[in-house]
Amino acid sequence: DQQVKQNSPSLSVQEGRISILNCDYTNSMFDYFLWYKKYPAEGPTFLISISSIKDKNEDGRFTVFLNKSAKHLSLHIVPSQPGDSAVYFCAAPWAGKSTFGDGTTLTVKP
Amino acid sequence: KAGVTQTPRYLIKTRGQQVTLSCSPISGHRSVSWYQQTPGQGLQFLFEYFSETQRNKGNFPGRFSGRQFSNSRSEMNVSTLELGDSALYLCASSLGGASNQPQHFGDGTRLSIL
Repeated sequence: DQQVKQNSPSLSVQEGRISILNCDYTNSMFDYFLWYKKYPAEGPTFLISISSIKDKNEDGRFTVFLNKSAKHLSLHIVPSQPGDSAVYFCAAPWAGKSTFGDGTTLTVKP
Repeated sequence: KAGVTQTPRYLIKTRGQQVTLSCSPISGHRSVSWYQQTPGQGLQFLFEYFSETQRNKGNFPGRFSGRQFSNSRSEMNVSTLELGDSALYLCASSLGGASNQPQHFGDGTRLSIL
């Protein structure tokens, strides 16, 4: 039972446009979510998080939206830059462990 | 501030052998978690150690074990290696645990089983 799902394995966008990465979860007890970015041959790095008491959190070009009723969150990157090309994971920590989605590979074309 | 350090970066073993991976967390971080990542898959939680005690465990067989030392450094051991154990093993540290704060990851150990 995969409790965190990223249904799009890959996404390609043009530089300067918006990138939208999606994540769905099934456990209604999840109350905190994070997005990590991973470059090849490196470990994941924390990007942005959101608590379930909010429906939006913004940090520069990155905004995460949370729709609790739909059990859905999304990461918006505006404007997208070639350096944003990486694998993006959403994660939900609960009961002492983090559950990760399978990741979405974002390619930003110059 | 030094990041999370994992050694070795690459390892090749054969079936049936055993292997030990090492992780040095960020100074002051007491929680260390281990994850397995296989191609096309997300990170699968193995276990978490906090103050030398295993606090949480994922759904992996008993061949996977770990420990944490008094300086918070952690080791992960896999015995009787199988082909399916080929993966990237990541460790992550945080101050108190994963539940309400981001984790800091090392660059991983790439384990290949022949």
